[in-house]
Amino acid sequence: GAGVSQSPSNKVTEKGKDVELRCDPISGHTALYWYRQSLGQGLEFLIYFQGNSAPDKSGLPSDRFSAERTGGSVSTLTIQRTQQEDSAVYLCASSPRAGNYEQYFGPGTRLTVT
Amino acid sequence: GDSVTQMEGPVTLSEEAFLTINCTYTATGYPSLFWYVQYPGEGLQLLLKATKADDKGSNKGFEATYRKETTSFHLEKGSVQVSDSAVYFCAAYYGNNRLAFGKGNQVVVIP
Repeated sequence: GAGVSQSPSNKVTEKGKDVELRCDPISGHTALYWYRQSLGQGLEFLIYFQGNSAPDKSGLPSDRFSAERTGGSVSTLTIQRTQQEDSAVYLCASSPRAGNYEQYFGPGTRLTVT
Repeated sequence: GDSVTQMEGPVTLSEEAFLTINCTYTATGYPSLFWYVQYPGEGLQLLLKATKADDKGSNKGFEATYRKETTSFHLEKGSVQVSDSAVYFCAAYYGNNRLAFGKGNQVVVIP
């Protein structure tokens, strides 16, 4: 079946602009995660959604970052007033349910802030 | 806090050589442990996992054993192929809604 998909695959934006990154999880997966992969920092957790529960936003690096998940499926990560340090690959993952289960990752969105 | 540590630096080795990538985790509770692999131009894929002490995960000739006494989950493969060239990430799930990842190791296998 279809895996996790993300769009766009690449995004180049000017410093100060807002960007939206989209994630389509595997159908039926209730848990959805966003991570950031940057050089020298490895993979950092950003935010977690589980069903209709309040998201765990504890990994978001600043209030310029926000995310939503509509209808328990598609998620959008928004970065406002982008900075050069936001340049990274943003990865989305989904899992059949919360807890100790395999997370299936999408191909990522490479964000470059110039 | 909860963290995973992988050995520093890329690993370069010849085809059919023995591969070991070290991974240690902080011993807060009993996390589940994973190895993920990222092939060039592709997303992260789960390679293997172990959920309790002494469990051995295995897949595609790779193995890793959950060692509570040394808080380690080292990845091994007896005879690597060029197609194993990739970045390998060790990860732990501590029950806090996220995976904690090591920084990854680039593995380059030379024919």
